[in-house]
Formats: sequence, C-alpha cells, structure tokens
Amino acid sequence: SQQGEEDPQALSIQEGENATMNCSYKTSINNLQWYRQNSGRGLVHLILIRSNEREKHSGRLRVTLDTSKKSSSLLITASRAADTASYFCATGPQGGSEKLVFGKGMKLTVNP
Amino acid sequence: NAGVMQNPRHLVRRRGQEARLRCSPMKGHSHVYWYRQLPEEGLKFMVYLQKENIIDESGMPKERFSAEFPKEGPSILRIQQVVRGDSAAYFCASSPPRGHQETQYFGPGTRLLVL
Repeated sequence: SQQGEEDPQALSIQEGENATMNCSYKTSINNLQWYRQNSGRGLVHLILIRSNEREKHSGRLRVTLDTSKKSSSLLITASRAADTASYFCATGPQGGSEKLVFGKGMKLTVNP
Repeated sequence: NAGVMQNPRHLVRRRGQEARLRCSPMKGHSHVYWYRQLPEEGLKFMVYLQKENIIDESGMPKERFSAEFPKEGPSILRIQQVVRGDSAAYFCASSPPRGHQETQYFGPGTRLLVL
C-alpha cells in the first residue's frame, strides 16, 4: 500500500521562486528520503533525513521532518528550469524492513 | 565509481515470451532491490536480495516472476510468459552492507514493453 503521499500533485512556478512539496505518511519510519526523476529517466537521490532529525539542508534544498504529524516537506529555493522534474518521497519503515515505500510523486514545472 | 547499471535500457517482448533484466550494483554494495513503476505512478517494491539470498520478496507476484543475485555476476529479474500488464519501468537500487539506515542508489531502469 502507498505510504507517502505528496502534496500538491503538480506545481508550476517561475524561475527564482521557491517550491515547497509536502509528504505525509502513515506508519512509523526509520528515515525518509526524497528523490527526483526527470521524465523517462532514473531516480536521483536528493536527501535522507533520519527519524531523530528535524531538519536537514543540502545546497538549495531544505527538508523538514515532523514525526508527530507524520509529515515531511522539501523546499527548493531559488528554483531553476533544470529543477523541472517529478519529486518522490520514500519512507524506510521500521521493523527491520529494507524496502522503501514511495508516494505517487509530485510534478514540478519551473518556467524560465 | 560507476553507479548502478541496468541493461537493457529498453526491452520489447511479445506476450508469452520471457524478459530478463540485469542489474549490477555499485561497487562495494551488497544489497540489491527491485522496484516497478507504472506510468504516472510511484515505485512499488518488488524484492530485496543480498548475495545468494532473497531477503524479502513480499512485493513480487507469486507467479511468473523470479529474482536472483548470484555470488558472481549481476542480479537478474526474470519474468516468464509476459503479459501486457507487465509493461512498466523496472528499477534496481543498491545500498552498502549496513542495513536499513542507508540510502538506496537507483539505476537508470529498464523499460519493458509487452506487445
């Protein structure tokens, strides 16, 4: 069953603006990861945040995690046309399971 | 350090044929995962393997699908007697041998089309 659900499902912004994507999940997790997928391509790992972390930065990316609300957000600052892609959150469940459970993804379009 | 490699990148099969997808993990990685992605959907877990062992196959269809990760060589996902519903992108990922806290790195995928 789907674990993460991204919101909104599609977002269109202008270059230079910030983009915020939200992810909600249902069960306890070990970590949450964000991936990017360009059309017809593989997944690129962006950032991993562990369940005992609240915020993490990587370049223009900022990820937050609220385990009490079972939600995470990905903020892309100063967006570029090259950021146009689908973004997925994926949760690493507890209980020793190794699999990632993906949401359906969110399509971001950055207009030049 | 090459990333995860998958081949072929595109595969066309007729109904009833066999599809064989290969995955070479990143150097030093001993955990391999297979996922399937339908159009406009997220990835769905299929199977998790370590060398010569299937650890979790809870996402694998019970029939026609099998996976292996031999001591030598790539991991293989095998689909027998393919049907149109098997058309999808199949992604392989690998991670280092330190368990579930590690990032999974994905290959470029194999896009299977069943005619």
